[in-house]
Amino acid sequence: DQQVKQNSPSLSVQEGRISILNCDYTNSMFDYFLWYKKYPAEGPTFLISISSIKDKNEDGRFTVFLNKSAKHLSLHIVPSQPGDSAVYFCAAGDSGTYKYIFGTGTRLKVLA
Amino acid sequence: DAGITQSPRYKITETGRQVTLMCHQTWSHSYMFWYRQDLGHGLRLIYYSAAADITDKGEVPDGYVVSRSKTENFPLTLESATRSQTSVYFCASRERSFAGETQYFGPGTRLLVL
Repeated sequence: DQQVKQNSPSLSVQEGRISILNCDYTNSMFDYFLWYKKYPAEGPTFLISISSIKDKNEDGRFTVFLNKSAKHLSLHIVPSQPGDSAVYFCAAGDSGTYKYIFGTGTRLKVLA
Repeated sequence: DAGITQSPRYKITETGRQVTLMCHQTWSHSYMFWYRQDLGHGLRLIYYSAAADITDKGEVPDGYVVSRSKTENFPLTLESATRSQTSVYFCASRERSFAGETQYFGPGTRLLVL
């Protein structure tokens, strides 16, 4: 039973447009959420995180939105750039245990 | 070089052999983690360590052993490798600050068990 789900395995977006990546979780105890980007043959790289006390966090072109009642978070990338083409993982967990459950990833392709 | 390194980057072994994957970090982060990445599963936590000599199981610990005698090193051993352990293995360390927390990942070790 997957506690963290990324239901879209892939997404294609035109350069300059908005990319929206979605993530759903089932465990109401999760209070910390992270997004990672992964290029082929490299380890995941941290992008942005959000605590459950917030519903939005921004860092440059990246914004994460958290809807606790729906147990849903999304990552917005605006504007999308070809260098953003990668696999994006969301992770969720209880910050007290330091253990995070990862989704299966969404492959983003930004078309020039 | 500062950061987190893994060795070897690629390894081919045979069923039943013992294999050790190495992980080294230069930041002195207390927490370290081992994940495996498989198609359709994302990253799954194998073991983690809160400090030297303190380790605990993650989601998929069976068939693996860890140790942590020094803060900077966190080796993962497959005692008797099986084909199902063919995977990409990532080591990570955790940093916590006023801004939040994150995990820094190594480049990965691609393991093939024949």
